[in-house]
Amino acid sequence: GAVVSQHPSWVICKSGTSVKIECRSLDFQATTMFWYRQFPKQSLMLMATSNEGSKATYEQGVEKDKFLINHASLTLSTLTVTSAHPEDSSFYICSARDLAYSYNEQFFGPGTRLTVL
Amino acid sequence: AQKITQTQPGMFVQEKEAVTLDCTYDTSDQSYGLFWYKQPSSGEMIFLIYQGSYDEQNATEGRYSLNFQKARKSANLVISASQLGDSAMYFCAMREGYGNKLVFGAGTILRVKS
Repeated sequence: GAVVSQHPSWVICKSGTSVKIECRSLDFQATTMFWYRQFPKQSLMLMATSNEGSKATYEQGVEKDKFLINHASLTLSTLTVTSAHPEDSSFYICSARDLAYSYNEQFFGPGTRLTVL
Repeated sequence: AQKITQTQPGMFVQEKEAVTLDCTYDTSDQSYGLFWYKQPSSGEMIFLIYQGSYDEQNATEGRYSLNFQKARKSANLVISASQLGDSAMYFCAMREGYGNKLVFGAGTILRVKS
């Protein structure tokens, strides 16, 4: 149980285009989802926290107009990188939590590798 | 200020030996949780072990144990009988309070030698 999927697993796009990344909880209801970004050989940096049906809470320094997060249902959250540029190239990882199941554990997706040319 | 500090950028260990990965944390909360994750080159985050601030006993999960020293604010991961498949990046993370976000350390790259 507690499987989180991400789609796509990798994407290459041209500078200036928008890219949507999906994060799905497959066998539980994710009351909260988190989006992280990870540059090569660095740690995970939290970008935003989203609760189903409400606006995402962005971390300091993260542009909310550039990284649009939608958590429209209890099993799906999407991250849209708008007008992507080469500096947005990174590994994006989502995680999901079901407070009814555990206060402790976040279940991570496999990640999406974004390359902007 | 750094909330989670991992001072070892990289570690080598001989196969079948034990290794300790260091983690210190900083919080003023009484209630918090400490986690260790393994990230192989594929990128997936694999949950290893959890220690709650009120847990009196050190957490253990198979070959993984967490050496929790609350007064020193340290939560070191001990991997016994290292295997080649243990080669990966290891992250220590902390959750402050209940239901809140995780803050990750910088990570330690572990290489197991045969």
